[in-house]
Amino acid sequence: AQTVTQSQPEMSVQEAETVTLSCTYDTSESDYYLFWYKQPPSRQMILVIRQEAYKQQNATENRFSVNFQKAAKSFSLKISDSQLGDAAMYFCAYLSRGGADGLTFGKGTHLIIQP
Amino acid sequence: SQTIHQWPATLVQPVGSPLSLECTVEGTSNPNLYWYRQAAGRGLQLLFYSVGIGQISSEVPQNLSASRPQDRQFILSSKKLLLSDSGFYLCAWSEASGITDTQYFGPGTRLTVL
Repeated sequence: AQTVTQSQPEMSVQEAETVTLSCTYDTSESDYYLFWYKQPPSRQMILVIRQEAYKQQNATENRFSVNFQKAAKSFSLKISDSQLGDAAMYFCAYLSRGGADGLTFGKGTHLIIQP
Repeated sequence: SQTIHQWPATLVQPVGSPLSLECTVEGTSNPNLYWYRQAAGRGLQLLFYSVGIGQISSEVPQNLSASRPQDRQFILSSKKLLLSDSGFYLCAWSEASGITDTQYFGPGTRLTVL
């Protein structure tokens, strides 16, 4: 079974600064997806960014980028130019490719943005 | 574009009462559908998933059940709620083609069992 570990329960960053959230995972599969989801106080899960394991290029979505290290099974999220609206819980998630199985989530990192 | 709805948004139920949570998806056909639960201060746990009408897979044994009576409708039920059923319930969908496998979540239902 796959596991996802987020070792930072809480992170704090100054507005306009850059912050990196860590995620490691364990799997015996070679083809899979990794995701970062954001959960604001409304509690709806919002997709932030997606990475396909067979792609070496790191995914980027505007101010959000990932550092995907497949051999190390590491998948960190970098948020540049942090904004107050980025404050939320961030969850790292793993999904086996090609199946209809559910996501395996980490326990989340609470991101605080200091004005 | 696709949208996903859940209702009710909030529910307070006594122990031993029945439960029915509904999820519907618009703008897509034959989606994969999922029910997750998020207990207080914890990550999400997959409860059920469905790849088609009447096809339900359960991940966690419990007193909950799921049904898919229509292509884009997914229902979570219980005959008798337990205190431990309290939590935030999220429905999600993904494309059946499996091209992206990305799951998109609904707004969720907050369930409190007293």
